[in-house]
Amino acid sequence: DAGVIQSPRHEVTEMGQEVTLRCKPISGHDYLFWYRQTMMRGLELLIYFNNNVPIDDSGMPEDRFSAKMPNASFSTLKIQPSEPRDSAVYFCASSLRGEQPQHFGDGTRLSIL
Amino acid sequence: SQKIEQNSEALNIQEGKTATLTCNYTNYSPAYLQWYRQDPGRGPVFLLLIRENEKEKRKERLKVTFDTTLKQSLFHITASQPADSATYLCALGNQAGTALIFGKGTTLSVSS
Repeated sequence: DAGVIQSPRHEVTEMGQEVTLRCKPISGHDYLFWYRQTMMRGLELLIYFNNNVPIDDSGMPEDRFSAKMPNASFSTLKIQPSEPRDSAVYFCASSLRGEQPQHFGDGTRLSIL
Repeated sequence: SQKIEQNSEALNIQEGKTATLTCNYTNYSPAYLQWYRQDPGRGPVFLLLIRENEKEKRKERLKVTFDTTLKQSLFHITASQPADSATYLCALGNQAGTALIFGKGTTLSVSS
C-alpha cells in the first residue's frame, strides 16, 4: 500500500498568498483527518471527514482556513489569505474506522514569510 | 479544559536499559489510548492501542499500561536500542471513537 500521500512536502510563500495542501488517503479508509503541528502547541486536529462529509471542524482556527473532500481519494486544505502565524507542519491522516489507528502522511512543511 | 501531559520533553538513556515514558491527562474520560512514534521529518506511526478496560498491552519489546484511576498511561521500551530514538506521542480517544487528542510528545535518545 502506498500509504497516505501529501503534497507538496515543502511550501514557502509570502503573506497574503493562497496556499493549497493536498492529501490522498489510503484506499478504503473511511476517515480523513487534517492536523497542524507546531513546537508550542503540538499536534492539533483541524478537521475530520467521514465518507467525504466534514464531521467536526471546530479545530479550524478561523475563516481563512477551509477544507474539502470532493471524493474518497482526495482532500484539500486551503488557507486564504495566509499569515506568518500559519507556519507549521500540516499532516493528513486516514483510518479504516473511527477508533482504528490513524495512518499519517509525511506532512507539508509550510513557511509563510 | 482537557489536558494531556507527557512527563518530560526529553529522556536520555543508555542502550539496553528500559525506557519509561509517562502520559497523564485531566478533565477527560478516554475510552482508549494510543501511542505513536514520530521520527524527524516524518508523520507519526501507530504503535499500540489500549482500551479503558485493559490494564496492560504488549508488543515485542513494548509495553503499555493504562490506569484510569490515576489518569495515567506508562509506555515501556525494554532492552532499548539507538534505533528506538524518536519522539513518542500519546493520544486519547473518546467513546465516539473518532477524534484523537495528542500530547506534545517525549523525545527519547538512546546512546550506545
